[in-house]
Amino acid sequence: KAGVTQTPRYLIKTRGQQVTLSCSPISGHRSVSWYQQTPGQGLQFLFEYFSETQRNKGNFPGRFSGRQFSNSRSEMNVSTLELGDSALYLCASSLADYTTDTQYFGPGTRLTVL
Amino acid sequence: AQSVSQHNHHVILSEAASLELGCNYSYGGTVNLFWYVQYPGQHLQLLLKYFSGDPLVKGIKGFEAEFIKSKFSFNLRKPSVQWSDTAEYFCAVKTNTGNQFYFGTGTSLTVIP
Repeated sequence: KAGVTQTPRYLIKTRGQQVTLSCSPISGHRSVSWYQQTPGQGLQFLFEYFSETQRNKGNFPGRFSGRQFSNSRSEMNVSTLELGDSALYLCASSLADYTTDTQYFGPGTRLTVL
Repeated sequence: AQSVSQHNHHVILSEAASLELGCNYSYGGTVNLFWYVQYPGQHLQLLLKYFSGDPLVKGIKGFEAEFIKSKFSFNLRKPSVQWSDTAEYFCAVKTNTGNQFYFGTGTSLTVIP
């Protein structure tokens, strides 16, 4: 089975711009979660989508949004970029099995905001 | 809110030394526990996981972890580390009240040949 894929792998943007990141989960996985990874902060949870609905949300401003399509692919959007948004954005997918759920990660999108 | 603590931020060991990385969580109910590893330039990979049963869990590459419920801990161990174990290690917890995973801030391990 193919793993979780994320595109693009690298992005350079300037302050004030917006960006859209894409994630394709492992085939059959219905849950997609997004994380922001920065040095010293670990993985900060952004949100989780299941069956095209946002099921959980982390503590990020409304500039961060996402959606999930009927094929479980997900996109994350960040509007009005700030310097502090520079990070590795990770996507993880899972079967959403309630008792034995395991997340599998993609390679991430490295976003640099200048 | 649930939290996951990894006490060691940076660990430096010589090859063949033993490793133990601490992980504690704050949740009184049923949990699923995970350790992930991120090698330099690579994506996060699952090392091992615990759902139920034997609290001593064996994972890939000779790693193991022990779930001690009374201490809310899930420490990662390896009896003899190799240079190739240099990586960042993340502990994660999933509670039985939702589908959200909670991650620790990670421990950076450097193994000196």
